[in-house]
Amino acid sequence: AQKVTQAQTEISVVEKEDVTLDCVYETRDTTYYLFWYKQPPSGELVFLIRRNSFDEQNEISGRYSWNFQKSTSSFNFTITASQVVDSAVYFCALSEGGMNTGFQKLVFGTGTRLLVSP
Amino acid sequence: EAQVTQNPRYLITVTGKKLTVTCSQNMNHEYMSWYRQDPGLGLRQIYYSMNVEVTDKGDVPEGYKVSRKEKRNFPLILESPSPNQTSLYFCASSLSGTSEAFFGQGTRLTVV
Repeated sequence: AQKVTQAQTEISVVEKEDVTLDCVYETRDTTYYLFWYKQPPSGELVFLIRRNSFDEQNEISGRYSWNFQKSTSSFNFTITASQVVDSAVYFCALSEGGMNTGFQKLVFGTGTRLLVSP
Repeated sequence: EAQVTQNPRYLITVTGKKLTVTCSQNMNHEYMSWYRQDPGLGLRQIYYSMNVEVTDKGDVPEGYKVSRKEKRNFPLILESPSPNQTSLYFCASSLSGTSEAFFGQGTRLTVV
């Protein structure tokens, strides 16, 4: 069965610090998709990034960057120069199952709560 | 505005009283899903649907039913709610199985 582990339950940093949120996954499929979502204190879920299993290039978007390593089954998320507005719960998610399920079987990690203080 | 709308946002009910949480999307998405979020457990998928009349179980389907009679709507039905179904529920839709999901604002359900 697929599984997503976010071992860091909560991280506290001071503004301007860099922080990395870890995500380790397990799957037997060769084709799968990985996602990160953000849940700010207001409660909505916001999409951040999607990565398919064939694309191991790292991605950078402003202060956000993602490191995907198939060799270690990890898809880590780094925030550079953190800001108070980055305070949120961050979820990593894995979808697999191929076309039988339309890749709609989505498994989330338990989330990492990031607290950025001024 | 593209959105996924859930109703109600908050609901307190009693054990055994049937209820329905509605979900509607205006993006013409084929894929829709329901999740529940519980402290320490993250989000867990209840049911998903790849198209009208096509639904399948997620990881925690027990005690829930869904239907997909129209593309835009995907209601979640609790035939006989129990206290262990007290949770925060999210509906989501996506254009395809591999694209990002758009989530509703959530429904906080309390079963007493």
